[in-house]
Amino acid sequence: DGGITQSPKYLFRKEGQNVTLSCEQNLNHDAMYWYRQDPGQGLRLIYYSQIVNDFQKGDIAEGYSVSREKKESFPLTVTSAQKNPTAFYLCASTPASFGGYTFGSGTRLTVV
Amino acid sequence: GESVGLHLPTLSVQEGDNSIINCAYSNSASDYFIWYKQESGKGPQFIIDIRSNMDKRQGQRVTVLLNKTVKHLSLQIAATQPGDSAVYFCAENYVNSGYALNFGKGTSLLVTP
Repeated sequence: DGGITQSPKYLFRKEGQNVTLSCEQNLNHDAMYWYRQDPGQGLRLIYYSQIVNDFQKGDIAEGYSVSREKKESFPLTVTSAQKNPTAFYLCASTPASFGGYTFGSGTRLTVV
Repeated sequence: GESVGLHLPTLSVQEGDNSIINCAYSNSASDYFIWYKQESGKGPQFIIDIRSNMDKRQGQRVTVLLNKTVKHLSLQIAATQPGDSAVYFCAENYVNSGYALNFGKGTSLLVTP
């Protein structure tokens, strides 16, 4: 079955450490996105990529980095510069249109 | 004191009643709008979408209404069921940002028997 896989589902990080969240899709979608969700709030856009080897900052890119070396993969690194990283992180992908927007099941990151 | 954003607007309806969830969007240049349903701990699930050249679109048990004059979007759910209990988000496209979406804060729908 086609879909988006995010791993791990739960992640714990010590303060000062970088951590990378995985997002893989086998839908052959061109565009991929990372969103952050805090309790009781909507999703906020971190980064997005419309094609391989290209990506753009969203509204809250500070303290995050991404890469898009393969069409199927769009990993997100939460760096130590992100002051409040505890959140639910969602990855999504689309073909070159709004239709078919597909979300992963999310990674819950907790800083301990 | 209470922190803004930690308490979602909540709509409580009885099973079998119709539900109406409202959303105000921010950008008059947006041309695509979408409603999502999110259950606790899961990713958002597509419900229905609408383009700016339409003012109404119907799906199975759901209807989306778009009023561009006042930048307002609503989701109507007919014969609400307990399985409809979730948080509902509206989203609009970011203009000139590919297909990235700008999400609202959400409304919690609680269906009581």
